[in-house]
Amino acid sequence: AQTVTQSQPEMSVQEAETVTLSCTYDTSENNYYLFWYKQPPSRQMILVIRQEAYKQQNATENRFSVNFQKAAKSFSLKISDSQLGDTAMYFCAFMKVYNNNDMRFGAGTRLTVKP
Amino acid sequence: EAQVTQNPRYLITVTGKKLTVTCSQNMNHEYMSWYRQDPGLGLRQIYYSMNVEVTDKGDVPEGYKVSRKEKRNFPLILESPSPNQTSLYFCASSLSLWQGGYTFGSGTRLTVV
Repeated sequence: AQTVTQSQPEMSVQEAETVTLSCTYDTSENNYYLFWYKQPPSRQMILVIRQEAYKQQNATENRFSVNFQKAAKSFSLKISDSQLGDTAMYFCAFMKVYNNNDMRFGAGTRLTVKP
Repeated sequence: EAQVTQNPRYLITVTGKKLTVTCSQNMNHEYMSWYRQDPGLGLRQIYYSMNVEVTDKGDVPEGYKVSRKEKRNFPLILESPSPNQTSLYFCASSLSLWQGGYTFGSGTRLTVV
């Protein structure tokens, strides 16, 4: 079974600085998706960024970018120019391209952006 | 607006009293899932459905039932809730295998006393 590990339960960053959240996963699959979801205090799950494993280029969405290292099974999220609204729980998730659409989540990293 | 709607948002109930959490999506998605979120464990899949009348167990199905009689609705049923089912529950839907990623509802905070 696939597992997703987020080794940083909590992190903090000063406003306007850059922070990187770590995620590693374990799989024998070659084709899969990786995701970062943001969960603010409203508890809504918001998709931040998505990466297809067959793409070598790292995905980028405005201030959010990933460092996808397929051989190392690593998928870190970099947030540039951190804003107070980035304060949230961040979940890394893995989904293999299979027939049950099962998305596997890490335990989450609680990020606090300080003014 | 494209969305997944869950109700209720909060629910407190007593042990053994049957309850249903409703979930509806307006995006004509094939795939729907239920997850529970617990501290330190992330989200874990309870049940999923690939289409009408097609459902299957996820990682933590014990104590739960689901049904998919219509494409848009996927209710979660707790026939005899117990305190260990106190959790935050999410319904999610996805268009297809290849689109990748779920759209989530806003969550239901369930407390069983």
